[in-house]
Amino acid sequence: DAKTTQPPSMDCAEGRAANLPCNHSTISGNEYVYWYRQIHSQGPQYIIHGLKNNETNEMASLIITEDRKSSTLILPHATLRDTAVYYCIVFYKSNDYKLSFGAGTTVTVRA
Amino acid sequence: DSGVTQTPKHLITATGQRVTLRCSPRSGDLSVYWYQQSLDQGLQFLIQYYNGEERAKGNILERFSAQQFPDLHSELNLSSLELGDSALYFCASSSWGYEQYFGPGTRLTVT
Repeated sequence: DAKTTQPPSMDCAEGRAANLPCNHSTISGNEYVYWYRQIHSQGPQYIIHGLKNNETNEMASLIITEDRKSSTLILPHATLRDTAVYYCIVFYKSNDYKLSFGAGTTVTVRA
Repeated sequence: DSGVTQTPKHLITATGQRVTLRCSPRSGDLSVYWYQQSLDQGLQFLIQYYNGEERAKGNILERFSAQQFPDLHSELNLSSLELGDSALYFCASSSWGYEQYFGPGTRLTVT
């Protein structure tokens, strides 16, 4: 699986959009970008995933650059409950579906 | 609530002992994954089962074993426990969508 690089931490004001970058410059054509988050020792929570096109669901939007070497997760209106560690994972859908978690980005939403 | 259940929530035991962690996947999910999260190692994939058969293995110690039963629930057995085995153990399940849904975890403390 391709490696990802994320900033270790970032702050965000409540009610503002949070833009979380992820670099995956070695991604190959059949690898997906997945985002999970973990709120203080709870089980990780699936957020969104994409291959080439931008994706949006009720939780977030995922913007993938045209060359697919980087992506941005957007939380449109951050709340205090969005404070968590966010993991960007590049994932190849094969028989081996294990997720390789890195250190992630610790996002703190401040009132 | 992800729909994945894990028992027990907390487990305290002594070195050298054996414990069993239990996981019930979401209804309809055939795949079960086990992950270990310790302070110094982060989230690490241990093992995956699909419909009762072992599908993928990560850095799982020989002292650890798992199985998935016909009703699809899974158990992770940890034996000859050491202090370093103290960690959060998460189970996740998935279906063909490939998104993994994590349970709340079992916190194991070895004294």
